[in-house]
Amino acid sequence: EVQLVESGGGLVKPGGSLRLSCAASGFTFSSYTMNWVRQAPGKGLEWVASITSGSRSLFYADSVKGRFTISRDSAKNSLYLQMISLRVDDTAVYYCARVSGQFRDYWGQGTLVTVSS
Amino acid sequence: SYVLTQPPSVSVAPGQTARITCEGNNIGSKSVHWYQQRPGQAPVLVVYDDSDRPSGIPERFSGSDSGNTATLTISRVEAGDEADYFCQVWDSSSEHVVFGGGTKLTIL
Repeated sequence: EVQLVESGGGLVKPGGSLRLSCAASGFTFSSYTMNWVRQAPGKGLEWVASITSGSRSLFYADSVKGRFTISRDSAKNSLYLQMISLRVDDTAVYYCARVSGQFRDYWGQGTLVTVSS
Repeated sequence: SYVLTQPPSVSVAPGQTARITCEGNNIGSKSVHWYQQRPGQAPVLVVYDDSDRPSGIPERFSGSDSGNTATLTISRVEAGDEADYFCQVWDSSSEHVVFGGGTKLTIL
């Protein structure tokens, strides 16, 4: 059974940093592109970043480019999102998702990041 | 950047057919994917590559894509179908994943 479990969310002040993790199991993690997708309270889904298998290519939404870094560790079956210079509008539930083709076929339950003074 | 437009809400009575649209420039040339998100839960893929269904998704869910409009059709709607629905494409020109704004489906 495919499982994705996010962790690392919490309350952080504007300008602060946070590192999110996603533990993957039930599939060959190293073979798949992985994503982070976020959802601000009461809002829609917003793609944040993608990383291909082997970390060959990284892609970022314009809203986070230069502030967020996506990475993976296939030995630990884990996906990460390093976030710096956090802003109030980064407040959201952050989901880890597996990519198959051009769609996201499995999603974690999400971790809440709150940026507030 | 590529924009997908969905109606904010659609309402339908139980047993009827719900149609949720997703508009984008020449969206018919792209593969469209649809996600269902029930309150407090993570999104679930219900249709991929315009019209294919993942295993476990009822045949009542179907999709189509032509011209500037993609449509998710839910036949014989049930109370459990009440949720937010999001369309998604890959925009190759910007190398960005794009989601529609979402449609809240209400079962009357």
